[in-house]
Amino acid sequence: QKEVEQNSGPLSVPEGAIASLNCTYSDRGSQSFFWYRQYSGKSPELIMFIYSNGDKEDGRFTAQLNKASQYVSLLIRDSQPSDSATYLCAVNRGISNQFYFGTGTSLTVIP
Amino acid sequence: DTAVSQTPKYLVTQMGNDKSIKCEQNLGHDTMYWYKQDSKKFLKIMFSYNNKELIINETVPNRFSPKSPDKAHLNLHINSLELGDSAVYFCASSQALSRGTDTQYFGPGTRLTVL
Repeated sequence: QKEVEQNSGPLSVPEGAIASLNCTYSDRGSQSFFWYRQYSGKSPELIMFIYSNGDKEDGRFTAQLNKASQYVSLLIRDSQPSDSATYLCAVNRGISNQFYFGTGTSLTVIP
Repeated sequence: DTAVSQTPKYLVTQMGNDKSIKCEQNLGHDTMYWYKQDSKKFLKIMFSYNNKELIINETVPNRFSPKSPDKAHLNLHINSLELGDSAVYFCASSQALSRGTDTQYFGPGTRLTVL
C-alpha cells in the first residue's frame, strides 16, 4: 500500500467551476498535510498546509482534513485556466520528519 | 533572491560516469532534502539531512550519497550512473519548528539524462 494515494486524473473542469482534488494516506499517525502545485517543467510550489481536522481556507483554496477517514482534499473555487497544473498531496508523518508525496492529480481548467 | 538553488539545471552524461549536483539554500533552514521525480511525476524522497542526522530512504542505491559541507548546502553525488537514474532531481529545505509541522521549499530541479 502506498503511503499517499491520489487519483492521477486527468481532471477537467470548466472555468469558474469548483475543482475537487482528493488524497488518502495510510499512516494514521501522520501529523501534517500539504498541497503543492507543479506546473510542467517547474518545481513543486506550496499552496497550503493543514494540521487539524476540518477546513482551512486561503483565498480560492480550501483544504479539508478528516483524520478518522485518513482523507485530505483540496477545493479550488472559481477555477482559472492558470490553475491548470499537477497537484501533489504530501504527508509528514512526524517520525524523522519525512515527507511522502502522492503521484499527483493533473487538473485542466477549460476556458 | 533565490531561496533554494541547484546547479546544474540540465546534466547529460554517459552511463558509468560519476556526477554531482549542488544545492544551496539561503533561508536559514535546518533540514535539506533530495527527491527524485521520475517520468510519471512521482516525487520520491531520497535523503533528508540536518546537522544531527542523515536519513536515507532504504530503496536508494548506495551509488547515491549526500554531502553537506555546511548547513546551507547539500550536494548529491552519484557514482556509476545508470540509465534508470535519468530523472529530475529536486533539492528542498525546511525549518523544523517542531516535528511534523515543517513546510518544504523546493529548488528548480536538475534534469539528469544518462545516455
